[in-house]
Amino acid sequence: EAGVTQFPSHSVIEKGQTVTLRCDPISGHDNLYWYRRVMGKEIKFLLHFVKESKQDESGMPNNRFLAERTGGTYSTLKVQPAELEDSGVYFCASSQEWHLQETQYFGPGTRLLVL
Amino acid sequence: QQQVKQSPQSLIVQKGGISIINCAYENTAFDYFPWYQQFPGKGPALLIAIRPDVSEKKEGRFTISFNKSAKQFSLHIMDSQPGDSATYFCAALTSSNTGKLIFGQGTTLQVKP
Repeated sequence: EAGVTQFPSHSVIEKGQTVTLRCDPISGHDNLYWYRRVMGKEIKFLLHFVKESKQDESGMPNNRFLAERTGGTYSTLKVQPAELEDSGVYFCASSQEWHLQETQYFGPGTRLLVL
Repeated sequence: QQQVKQSPQSLIVQKGGISIINCAYENTAFDYFPWYQQFPGKGPALLIAIRPDVSEKKEGRFTISFNKSAKQFSLHIMDSQPGDSATYFCAALTSSNTGKLIFGQGTTLQVKP
């Protein structure tokens, strides 16, 4: 079974440009999460989808970030316009259920560098 | 505000030795504590996890020790192997928000042959 996939693996853009990250969860997983790790710091939660609905978007930094999950399958995270501090590794994770001991399966991440 | 504090930031251990990574938390609402292991170029993967009503959990060479009164928990890797070289993250969850993993800063472990 394929794991969580993310595209692109790397992205280098200039400040002010737009970037869209994509995540394909494990098939059948209704729960999809986005996280971000800025250089050397902790991995921080951004938001959680249950199917196509945003369950929790408390970690989204500001309105330059837009996450969508149309149809409840893959998800996109758009940053517009990108700023220098947006650089980092963006992880997507998915889980089948939504309870305390449910395992979240992570993708390999997208490494974003904003110059 | 760092809700889960992890130390050390990096760790070098000889093959066969014991690796110990420590985490501390403040929020007493946390009631599930997973550890994730991440290899270069890969995403974090669940390694082992513990509930606060248990003081220790062991899976193979990996053991979590949990001290509820001190609000601390630690990962012990016995007989450390070069293949254990990775970044380790402790994390925490609350029952009221089971989708939101709160991570520590990560520990980069290098096991020397």
